[in-house]
Amino acid sequence: GDSVTQTEGQVALSEEDFLTIHCNYSASGYPTLFWYVQYPGEGPQLLFRASRDKEKGSSRGFEATYDKGTTSFHLRKASVQESDSAVYYCALSANYGNEKITFGAGTKLTIKP
Amino acid sequence: AQTIHQWPVAEIKAVGSPLSLGCTIKGKSSPNLYWYWQATGGTLQQLFYSITVGQVESVVQLNLSASRPKDDQFILSTEKLLLSHSGFYLCAWSLRGDYAEQFFGPGTRLTVL
Repeated sequence: GDSVTQTEGQVALSEEDFLTIHCNYSASGYPTLFWYVQYPGEGPQLLFRASRDKEKGSSRGFEATYDKGTTSFHLRKASVQESDSAVYYCALSANYGNEKITFGAGTKLTIKP
Repeated sequence: AQTIHQWPVAEIKAVGSPLSLGCTIKGKSSPNLYWYWQATGGTLQQLFYSITVGQVESVVQLNLSASRPKDDQFILSTEKLLLSHSGFYLCAWSLRGDYAEQFFGPGTRLTVL
């Protein structure tokens, strides 16, 4: 079945540090890939998505590039802020219409001021 | 503007008791609807989705059932709760289409004792 692997369970950084959260996927065909962010006590919000090889998604300074060769969709940000503290989920959908979504385990990002 | 409402906000129930959680979407007609479950500190597990009234697809079996009695309403229920049902239940909606973003509700916190 489809799966998403996020390597880092927790990441702790200082403000203005560079962020990378690794995401690798396994799915048949050509899935759509997503990054979601979840703040405490709330539902997740979509950061961005990508559907084609080499497509870059970006939002709020975060970006990720769809890499079919390495089956990866790593999240990066050049300079993090305290307000970026949240849980980040990589996800994929491999069915037409994207009704069925598989989420990774999530990465808790903590930014120290 | 569209709004998504979940009820109740939180629930404490005994093992073996029945459960009914609700979700209503206002401001959108014929949305796709979804139920997710999230264990404390865990990832999001998609449980059900529905693309039309009266039709619900099960993604994973957790001794739960779902129904869509109206276009804007999605119900999650079980006749007998288990301890493992504790967690955060999220309803989401999306438009139909290959690039449709899922919008999540505020969630219901369920504690089974």
